[in-house]
Amino acid sequence: DIQMTQSPSSLSGFVGDRVTIICRASEDIENALVWFQQRPGRAPKSLIHSASILQSGVPSRFSGSGSGTDFTLTISSLQPEDFATYYCQQSHRYPPTFGQGTRVEIK
Amino acid sequence: QIQLVQSAAEVKQPGASVKVSCKTSGYDFFSHGINWVRQAPGKGLEWVGWISPLSGNTNQALKFFGRVTWSTDTSTTTAYMELKSLTSDDTATYYCARDRDGTDWYNTDFWGQGTLITVSS
Repeated sequence: DIQMTQSPSSLSGFVGDRVTIICRASEDIENALVWFQQRPGRAPKSLIHSASILQSGVPSRFSGSGSGTDFTLTISSLQPEDFATYYCQQSHRYPPTFGQGTRVEIK
Repeated sequence: QIQLVQSAAEVKQPGASVKVSCKTSGYDFFSHGINWVRQAPGKGLEWVGWISPLSGNTNQALKFFGRVTWSTDTSTTTAYMELKSLTSDDTATYYCARDRDGTDWYNTDFWGQGTLITVSS
């Protein structure tokens, strides 16, 4: 199975901060990467697919980049509603696998 | 609008089976597969399996082979996951999620609200 590793496991920031989350795949997944946001007690919500394509309705402060094995999710200006856990997932090959999650907290 | 609405939470005894439903609406049911993902309390996301309502084709994570059954009811545009021989390790919230375009099977966009399955004696 392809292993997905996120860093950091958690981070804290102020409203307005720029934050970046890294996701690394154990082998080349081309651009087959999805980013999800999960607020406590809620279902995951797709933010970005194909590494950099914003899901309809997602604010433009979210952006994704990367290909191959290294990917990033950037939030350009943290908002109160962005405090959540973020997961990456590879959709390149069976079985799809997720990163362990990055918890974004208020500083 | 696109919606996936799942069945209510259940408590099951070890060894029992559970069948979770995922009622879809707002799109062509045959044009998108349905993935199932679970999340144990306080843990991360784990893919369980996938079904195509169009072809009936399915696949699942190796650890669930022989223990999970997928089905759909096209008359009600509902997908089902049945998990047998439950143990406490199966205690989790189970989510259904639509694949984005029917070809990129594991690339999901819309998710159900989740169904908590608790396995306890």
